[in-house]
Amino acid sequence: AQSVTQLDSHVSVSEGTPVLLRCNYSSSYSPSLFWYVQHPNKGLQLLLKYTSAATLVKGINGFEAEFKKSETSFHLTKPSAHMSDAAEYFCVVSDLNDYKLSFGAGTTVTVRA
Amino acid sequence: EAGVAQSPRYKIIEKRQSVAFWCNPISGHATLYWYQQILGQGPKLLIQFQNNGVVDDSQLPKDRFSAERLKGVDSTLKIQPAKLEDSAVYLCASSLEGADTEAFFGQGTRLTVV
Repeated sequence: AQSVTQLDSHVSVSEGTPVLLRCNYSSSYSPSLFWYVQHPNKGLQLLLKYTSAATLVKGINGFEAEFKKSETSFHLTKPSAHMSDAAEYFCVVSDLNDYKLSFGAGTTVTVRA
Repeated sequence: EAGVAQSPRYKIIEKRQSVAFWCNPISGHATLYWYQQILGQGPKLLIQFQNNGVVDDSQLPKDRFSAERLKGVDSTLKIQPAKLEDSAVYLCASSLEGADTEAFFGQGTRLTVV
């Protein structure tokens, strides 16, 4: 069974500083991985996805993530946080055979002015 | 392109009552998911359909929850009878076939059981 572990339940950063959200995955084969963002009272929105092409994936709003097979990680980064980045972020793995999506527990990002 | 539509947006019911949620996926999307998201947690898969067949319902509490997807399009999720611990946001999502395809989520239905 595939699963993801988000290593930080809460991350607090100052506006303009880098953001790092950590995600480790467990999979018996090369997975498809996603990062979704959920703003308060809003639906889940795809930030970026990895599907066995380039290991460095660029997404929307300046976010990017790097797939590292040797470390089974898919960490999300942004060089400079903005107040609008305050939200809940979910790392998700997709099963190759039945397309089942498994979510991590989420990381809450707070951005300080 | 229209997104995933869910209704109602909010529902408050008393315990032991029944409730139903409706989802209209994006046209042409074969895969449909229902997730339960309890406050402060990540979404948990309740049931996954591929067209109108069930792919995974292993975490659906079948003694009280049921779901169907008629004609491989719209879907309804029902709870009968509801318990206090069913208070959560119920999310519907749809996607094209394939492990690398993006799932599109609806706004969700926030259920409060009192």
